Amino acid sequence: DAGVTQSPTHLIKTRGQQVTLRCSPKSGHDTVSWYQQALGQGPQFIFQYYEEEERQRGNFPDRFSGHQFPNYSSELNVNALLLGDSALYLCASSVISGVDTGELFFGEGSRLTVL
Amino acid sequence: KQEVTQIPAALSVPEGENLVLNCSFTDSAIYNLQWFRQDPGKGLTSLLLIQSSQREQTSGRLNASLDKSSGRSTLYIAASQPGDSATYLCAGILIKAAGNKLTFGGGTRVLVKP
Repeated sequence: DAGVTQSPTHLIKTRGQQVTLRCSPKSGHDTVSWYQQALGQGPQFIFQYYEEEERQRGNFPDRFSGHQFPNYSSELNVNALLLGDSALYLCASSVISGVDTGELFFGEGSRLTVL
Repeated sequence: KQEVTQIPAALSVPEGENLVLNCSFTDSAIYNLQWFRQDPGKGLTSLLLIQSSQREQTSGRLNASLDKSSGRSTLYIAASQPGDSATYLCAGILIKAAGNKLTFGGGTRVLVKP
């Protein structure tokens, strides 16, 4: 049973560029959340997708957008990259059901460096 | 607004000593609390999930407790090993209606010396 998979694992961009990160949730999971983790800090919630819609959003600008596909996989897009966007981007999956424990499972992350 | 704090930020112990990691949160309406391990440059590995109706969870050498009234959770790691060296993060879900959004502490970086 594959866990949460993310791609790419590492990437380097320059300021002003755009980036797309991808995530496939754990089998049986229908909800995908994205987190940004700056070096030495805890992850910060970006947004969550369920049924192909953004369910809730953290305190991130509109440059951060996402999408969820019918197969529950998800993309995170960041436009007009800034140096401060350099971070580890983590995808987490969970299941919303009548027996929702709230437990999240994370992927290995995508390390973005903005030069 | 829910805030989660982990103190100390770093901890160094000799091999074999028991580890006690602390997590405090500001809102006692917390629904679930989850502990994670993170190795350098890696993702998060879920260690223990304490659900709203529970007070503790155990898995092998790990035990986590949750006291909502005092706004605290503690992760105990018995008989620490060098392989336990990592950053440990706690995260809380405030209310179920908000969905599974975690608020993380800053983590405690643990070094177990042989």
